[in-house]
Amino acid sequence: AQSVTQLDSHVSVSEGTPVLLRCNYSSSYSPSLFWYVQHPNKGLQLLLKYTSAATLVKGINGFEAEFKKSETSFHLTKPSAHMSDAAEYFCVVSDEDSWGKLQFGAGTQVVVTP
Amino acid sequence: DTGVSQDPRHKITKRGQNVTFRCDPISEHNRLYWYRQTLGQGPEFLTYFQNEAQLEKSRLLSDRFSAERPKGSFSTLEIQRTEQGDSAMYLCASSLALGSRNEKLFFGSGTQLSVL
Repeated sequence: AQSVTQLDSHVSVSEGTPVLLRCNYSSSYSPSLFWYVQHPNKGLQLLLKYTSAATLVKGINGFEAEFKKSETSFHLTKPSAHMSDAAEYFCVVSDEDSWGKLQFGAGTQVVVTP
Repeated sequence: DTGVSQDPRHKITKRGQNVTFRCDPISEHNRLYWYRQTLGQGPEFLTYFQNEAQLEKSRLLSDRFSAERPKGSFSTLEIQRTEQGDSAMYLCASSLALGSRNEKLFFGSGTQLSVL
């Protein structure tokens, strides 16, 4: 069975500094991995996805993630945090039987301070 | 593209009452998913439809839960005899199934259920 573990439940960063959100996955097959963001009172938004092509994936709003099979990791980074990045972020793996059946991590709450 | 719509946004009910939520997917999408998100957790898969057929149900979906998607358009999720443990955000998502890893889900804003 596939699963993801988000290593930090809360991350606090200063505006303009780098952001790192850590995610490890477990899967018996070549997974599809995603990062979603959830702002208060808004729907989940896809930031980026990895589907076995390039291991460095670029997403929206300056985010990127690197798939490292040897480390079973899919960490999310952004060089410079913006106040609008404050939100909850979910690392997600999809089921091989149905690509739309998603297994979410517990989430990382990001706080950005001025 | 008007996005995925869910109604109502909030529902407060008393324990033991029945509730029904509605989801309107993006019009050309043939797949529709229901997820549940409790406080402090990531969403959990409940069930999904391809057109009008319900293809899979999670073990989380007890007998008190029923979902329908008549005519393959909108979907309803009904919870009978609600319990306080049913309090959660119920999320709907839709996609155009391509039979590949390129399937992309679009999520609605959810229905927040509070059972008193």
